[in-house]
Amino acid sequence: DAEITQSPRHKITETGRQVTLACHQTWNHNNMFWYRQDLGHGLRLIHYSYGVHDTNKGEVSDGYSVSRSNTEDLPLTLESAASSQTSVYFCASSQGRADTQYFGPGTRLTVL
Amino acid sequence: AQSVTQPDIHITVSEGASLELRCNYSYGATPYLFWYVQSPGQGLQLLLKYFSGDTLVQGIKGFEAEFKRSQSSFNLRKPSVHWSDAAEYFCAVGARSGGSNYKLTFGKGTLLTVNP
Repeated sequence: DAEITQSPRHKITETGRQVTLACHQTWNHNNMFWYRQDLGHGLRLIHYSYGVHDTNKGEVSDGYSVSRSNTEDLPLTLESAASSQTSVYFCASSQGRADTQYFGPGTRLTVL
Repeated sequence: AQSVTQPDIHITVSEGASLELRCNYSYGATPYLFWYVQSPGQGLQLLLKYFSGDTLVQGIKGFEAEFKRSQSSFNLRKPSVHWSDAAEYFCAVGARSGGSNYKLTFGKGTLLTVNP
């Protein structure tokens, strides 16, 4: 069955370190998204991609970057981790831009 | 820009009771509307969606939602709640965000507790 996976599921890192969170989907979807989830804020869009080599900033993109070299993967990089980036991160994908987004299981990141 | 309001942060119901979770949105045209459910430690699962057509939408797990344009609402309902329905529920609005870009905006969620 097609699915979307994230790794690692849990990560603890230190302030200032570079961290990369992986997202892999086997749906063959064109569109992929990264969100962060924080208490009281719901889900907020970090970055998104509408296809290979396409990336766009979301509403909370500062301190994050993505690159899309193939259809299946959209890794999220925290260039210099900050305590404010402690959160749960979700990856999602969709076939069409307005289609249903399917979510991965999430990565819980703690920045000490 | 679109926005979504879920007025109830936390709702407690008894098992077997009916349930209604409220969702109000702000958008200039008819948006796409979604309800997702999130169990503890899990990702979001789609319950149902409205794109067009019949304003009463049926979803999985016995849930339904009704789109009311005049009230800008998309409330989620279930006639009889089961203990396994305890989770957090998110309403989301999808709409164009400039050019051919499209954005999904989430409400802050409603946490459902089910008492035995």
